[in-house]
Amino acid sequence: QQPVQSPQAVILREGEDAVINCSSSKALYSVHWYRQKHGEAPVFLMILLKGGEQKGHEKISASFNEKKQQSSLYLTASQLSYSGTYFCGITNNAGNMLTFGGGTRLMVKP
Amino acid sequence: DGGITQSPKYLFRKEGQNVTLSCEQNLNHDAMYWYRQDPGQGLRLIYYSQIVNDFQKGDIAEGYSVSREKKESFPLTVTSAQKNPTAFYLCASSVDRGRIQPQHFGDGTRLSIL
Repeated sequence: QQPVQSPQAVILREGEDAVINCSSSKALYSVHWYRQKHGEAPVFLMILLKGGEQKGHEKISASFNEKKQQSSLYLTASQLSYSGTYFCGITNNAGNMLTFGGGTRLMVKP
Repeated sequence: DGGITQSPKYLFRKEGQNVTLSCEQNLNHDAMYWYRQDPGQGLRLIYYSQIVNDFQKGDIAEGYSVSREKKESFPLTVTSAQKNPTAFYLCASSVDRGRIQPQHFGDGTRLSIL
């Protein structure tokens, strides 16, 4: 079943922070985060495997709450280059078949 | 440089015609995937292959077919049975099956109906 992402869209000014959530109705095994610029391929950001784990990638980090079946992506001090659509992909077992959420469109303005 | 090459970038299909989208990778990855993306939507899995000569249906396989005769190649055929083929098609690969690995994507093929 497709995970639910929220919000669907967000507009930020440069330097502001944002949080994107990804919720599943089933138990999570892993959560992947990708960013896609318009008309381009999705680019891998990070994978989270354990409950409560937090990972970071420059000023972008994520948490994985196994109990809540939810992951959150944190973008701090946003830059213009952060604009794009962010997708979470989840797996419910050890395999690598991802089910993607509907995406969150992020726009960072000067 | 290693990567995934999809061709063509743009493709037009006539009514009743089958078309084939190419996907080639030189990453030495075992697993390959085909996704469909509609405007403003997420990615939906069409087919995936975890090893040569083996592939499985994803969530929306009807009207599509694939083959995996070589490790580096995973072509997708959009058949005339697919009544609404207009979409952005993305091919991806990952190191191997059964392990949690990032998926690497090609630049996509945009398919439209003439």
